[in-house]
Amino acid sequence: QSALTQPPSASGSPGQSVTISCTGTSSDVGAENYVSWYQQHPGKAPKLLISEVSKRPSGVPDRFSGSKSGNTASLTVSGLQAEDEADYYCSSHVPGGKYVFGTGTKVTVL
Amino acid sequence: EVQLVESGGGLVQPGGSLRLSCATSGFTLSDKYINWVRQAPGKGLEWVGRTTNKASGYITLYAASVEGRFTISRDDSQNSLYLLLNSLKTEDTAVYYCATERSGSFDFWGQGILVTVSS
Repeated sequence: QSALTQPPSASGSPGQSVTISCTGTSSDVGAENYVSWYQQHPGKAPKLLISEVSKRPSGVPDRFSGSKSGNTASLTVSGLQAEDEADYYCSSHVPGGKYVFGTGTKVTVL
Repeated sequence: EVQLVESGGGLVQPGGSLRLSCATSGFTLSDKYINWVRQAPGKGLEWVGRTTNKASGYITLYAASVEGRFTISRDDSQNSLYLLLNSLKTEDTAVYYCATERSGSFDFWGQGILVTVSS
């Protein structure tokens, strides 16, 4: 199972929006609506931001939103804040039980 | 409060073995699917494997990169899970995380534990 493809980096000024793509195949991202997104600050464990393509767990600001079209999922961070500077990873459940992660995107707040 | 705490990491020689533990609290372990995820230094996340819950028969599944070398086990009575790492390779050097699974995502994570494979 190959890693999902994400852009290595993305950036934006405070208050702007940034969108990160996550491209897989019809065997993973395109197969089901079990795409999730994680935020990871340096030296910390990942934190769940989005589950099931677009669902936000309790406590996650509504500045974070997710969507999917075909084999590509996207995470949008609106109203960028300094604390949003982190690494972001997508993940997809693969029918049969396995999982695959994206390659990761480093978001810089300018 | 849901908590997962990994332990048992350290330095091991290539070909060696190590057992990681994941102590859990704040939820009923037997109800949960639990996954192991790793992250090599400076690299991205890699799914390692998963154990289903009691209702699903404690089925384990592994990534191709560790299949046959790593084994996940659990002791729900002790609120603990284990990851046995055998035939370790230098490329297994990573921070290992245990995480609960819910609706196709990993909702709670431990803090991670470093495993270094080096001679």
